[in-house]
Amino acid sequence: QQQVKQSPQSLIVQKGGIPIINCAYENTAFDYFPWYQQFPGKGPALLIAIRPDVSEKKEGRFTISFNKSAKQFSLHIMDSQPGDSATYFCAAISVIQGAQKLVFGQGTRLTINP
Amino acid sequence: KAGVTQTPRYLIKTRGQQVTLSCSPISGHRSVSWYQQTPGQGLQFLFEYFSETQRNKGNFPGRFSGRQFSNSRSEMNVSTLELGDSALYLCASSLVPGQLYEQYFGPGTRLTVT
Repeated sequence: QQQVKQSPQSLIVQKGGIPIINCAYENTAFDYFPWYQQFPGKGPALLIAIRPDVSEKKEGRFTISFNKSAKQFSLHIMDSQPGDSATYFCAAISVIQGAQKLVFGQGTRLTINP
Repeated sequence: KAGVTQTPRYLIKTRGQQVTLSCSPISGHRSVSWYQQTPGQGLQFLFEYFSETQRNKGNFPGRFSGRQFSNSRSEMNVSTLELGDSALYLCASSLVPGQLYEQYFGPGTRLTVT
């Protein structure tokens, strides 16, 4: 059961373009939405995260947009660079009976062409 | 400060065998979580350990088990290996238990079951 649906599976963008990765969820118990970046041979690394009471968060060239009513959130990468080529995962965290549950989207393989 | 280390990095086992993977968290981190990453199922949470106790468990069969030692190092064991257990197994550590918001991943152990 996929609790967080991520799209697209893969994305190719020219350098300087703005790749957009989208995620959607159903469970309203989720209260924290992190994004991870994973390079080949490495584990995922936390990139940026947002809570549902905020509609947008920026950190450097990375921006999360959050639409609570639509239960959707997306990652935008401004002025994308070849070094941004990686797999990106959205995720959602809920707290149930004091225990955190973390679920990931399926991932998006992003390629930034020079 | 050294990151999360996992050993071995690569492992090939035969169906029916068992395997033990090791994880050393970041110095001072006392919580260790394990994840399975496959192309088909993506990233899935296995379990979390803190103070040598399992705090949280994902939806995996009993063949998957783990433990944590007094120095916070953790091991994960998979018994009676199946072909479907081929995956990248990731370990993540955090300073406090259940703090999935701020966890750091190791590079993973690539397990291939033949």
